[in-house]
Amino acid sequence: DIQMTQSPSSLSASVGDRVTITCRASQSISNYLNWYQQKPGKAPNLLIYAASSLQSGVPSRFSGSGSGTDFTLTISSLQPEDFATYYCQQSYSSPPENTFGQGTKLEIK
Amino acid sequence: EVQLVESGGGLVKPGGSLRLSCAASGITFTKAWMSWVRQAPGKGLEWVGRIKGETDGGTTDYAAAVKGRFTISRDDSKNTLYLQMNSLKTEDTALYYCTVVGIFTVTTSFFTAFYIWGQGTMVTVSS
Repeated sequence: DIQMTQSPSSLSASVGDRVTITCRASQSISNYLNWYQQKPGKAPNLLIYAASSLQSGVPSRFSGSGSGTDFTLTISSLQPEDFATYYCQQSYSSPPENTFGQGTKLEIK
Repeated sequence: EVQLVESGGGLVKPGGSLRLSCAASGITFTKAWMSWVRQAPGKGLEWVGRIKGETDGGTTDYAAAVKGRFTISRDDSKNTLYLQMNSLKTEDTALYYCTVVGIFTVTTSFFTAFYIWGQGTMVTVSS
């Protein structure tokens, strides 16, 4: 099974900061990597698919990069509504067992 | 507007059964690949299982943690997805989301992602 590991597990930042979250796969997954945002009490929301493609309606301050085993989600200038938990998810394996990272909680400094 | 509405959650004793439903609207349900994803209180996301669209055979796959105990099915005439949960364990306590598996094309490659989510229904397994 492919294991997904995110770092850091939590992060404190201020409005306007540039933030990067990392996701590492235990084996190469090419660019089969998605990112989700989850706010408290809400369902997750797809931000990025195929490692770097922005889902429709997602602000352009979100971007993704990477291929193989190492991936990053970058928020170029944090907004108050961006404080949430972020999950990476690999879609390389079928069926998608162990598909999600453990999450990164982004908190206000 | 695409909408998924889950129902059927509740409190059940260990060893008991429960059936969750997910009513879909705004999508061509018969073609849609659907998944269940769960989230234990204060924990991360865990994929539970999926069912392919009828045009792709309607086959199912399950996470090892639920295989043999949970069954996913669909009624395309009702645009409804189901999750039958048997032999429930305390570790099955979670918020259960149904999701639409989106298929995205980038250049000539296809990628999948959980792109529409319901609001979730809570399942508590406790004596």
